[in-house]
Amino acid sequence: EVQLVEFGGGLVKPGGSVRLSCAASGFSFSSYSINWVRQAPGKGLEWVSSINMIGSFYADSVKGRFTVSRDDANNSVYLQMNSLRADDTAIYFCARLAAAGTTPIYYFDSWGQGTPVTVSS
Amino acid sequence: DIQMIQSPSTLSASVGDKVTITCRASLSISTWLAWYQQKPGKAPNLLIYKASNLQSGVPSRFSGSGSGTEITLTISSLQPDDFASYYCQQYNTYPITFGQGTRLEIK
Repeated sequence: EVQLVEFGGGLVKPGGSVRLSCAASGFSFSSYSINWVRQAPGKGLEWVSSINMIGSFYADSVKGRFTVSRDDANNSVYLQMNSLRADDTAIYFCARLAAAGTTPIYYFDSWGQGTPVTVSS
Repeated sequence: DIQMIQSPSTLSASVGDKVTITCRASLSISTWLAWYQQKPGKAPNLLIYKASNLQSGVPSRFSGSGSGTEITLTISSLQPDDFASYYCQQYNTYPITFGQGTRLEIK
């Protein structure tokens, strides 16, 4: 069974940093792109970042502030979030792209339960 | 970026009703569109991909149709478990973008 579990969220001051983790199991992790999608309180879904075997990609809203990385040996993906702002407050989900390989864009067939990040002084 | 506009934003309906949610794209996305259902406090759940393909395990009362700039999700006979929010997602062009969501509530 495919499982994704996020952790690392919490309360952070504006300008601060936090590192989210996404631990995966139940599939050939290194073959798949893992994405981060966020949802601000009461709002819709916003794609944030993705990483696959050929590179990483970012939404304009986080480019230069967030960095995604992966550790295939430990089946994990990380999102380093720096220079946080109030509008980064959201639930952060990791999600698996449905297609294995180097496909950079597709739909998501598995999601974690999300981890909340609150940016407030 | 391709903008995805869902309509309606809120939909009130009764058990047994047939409902349709529409997603309009600012540019043609062919059939590169997925639909998700999300319940409060939970992660989104994939319903349909490539506009009309039902994900394994999803009830057949859900269906999708359309291509280009207008794609629809239809629920043929609403069940109590279907009252939730629904989102479309285009995967034709980076960046991936979602519709703003449709909240389906009990009338």
